[in-house]
Amino acid sequence: EVQLVESGGGLVTPGGSLRLSCAASGLILRNAWMSWVRQAPGKGLEWVGRIKTKTDGGAIDSAVPVKDRFTISRDDSENMLFLQMNSLKTEDTAVYYCAASYGGISAEIDYWGQGALVTVSS
Amino acid sequence: QSVLTQPPSASGTPGQRVTISCSGSSSNIGNNFVHWYQQLPGTAPKLLICRNDQRPSGVPDRLSGSKSGTSASLAISGLRSEDEADYYCASWDNSLRGVVFGGGTKLTVL
Repeated sequence: EVQLVESGGGLVTPGGSLRLSCAASGLILRNAWMSWVRQAPGKGLEWVGRIKTKTDGGAIDSAVPVKDRFTISRDDSENMLFLQMNSLKTEDTAVYYCAASYGGISAEIDYWGQGALVTVSS
Repeated sequence: QSVLTQPPSASGTPGQRVTISCSGSSSNIGNNFVHWYQQLPGTAPKLLICRNDQRPSGVPDRLSGSKSGTSASLAISGLRSEDEADYYCASWDNSLRGVVFGGGTKLTVL
């Protein structure tokens, strides 16, 4: 059974930092393009960014609202994905989903984690 | 304001057929695949339709997807109460260099 389990969410003050982790099991992480997608309370889905496989160059694409503040990284040996979030703003408050794609450039997301809530508030 | 445009709501009675539209541009739908996700209340999204019209294993054939030009549609026939959920379309956007989602459509089974 495929499982993606996020951790590291919580309450942080504006301007602070937080690091989310995603532990993968039941799939071979090194073969997946991994993404983060967020959902603000009561709102729709918003793509945060993705990291390609090392085989495909390991390139990272990030959404404009988080570029230069958020960094995606992966540790394939540990089957882990990370999201380092700096200079957090109140508008970053959301459930953050870890997601795995095996379709390459077709960009569909095959598997989703259960999500981790990040609350940015003073 | 989402890059892809979906109606905020849709509804139907059990057994009916409903369609949900998704409108984009040449930067996204017009030149890339469209995917559809279902999100049941309080749960993570689930892939329903990929690459315009492909159903992943386990998705019933009463769900279907189509694409024409810069628009796409999700059709659900034989509507059931368990279909009540939020539905999102998504596509890669060549100009933004990222995945773009529709704003979501809340489907109510009356």
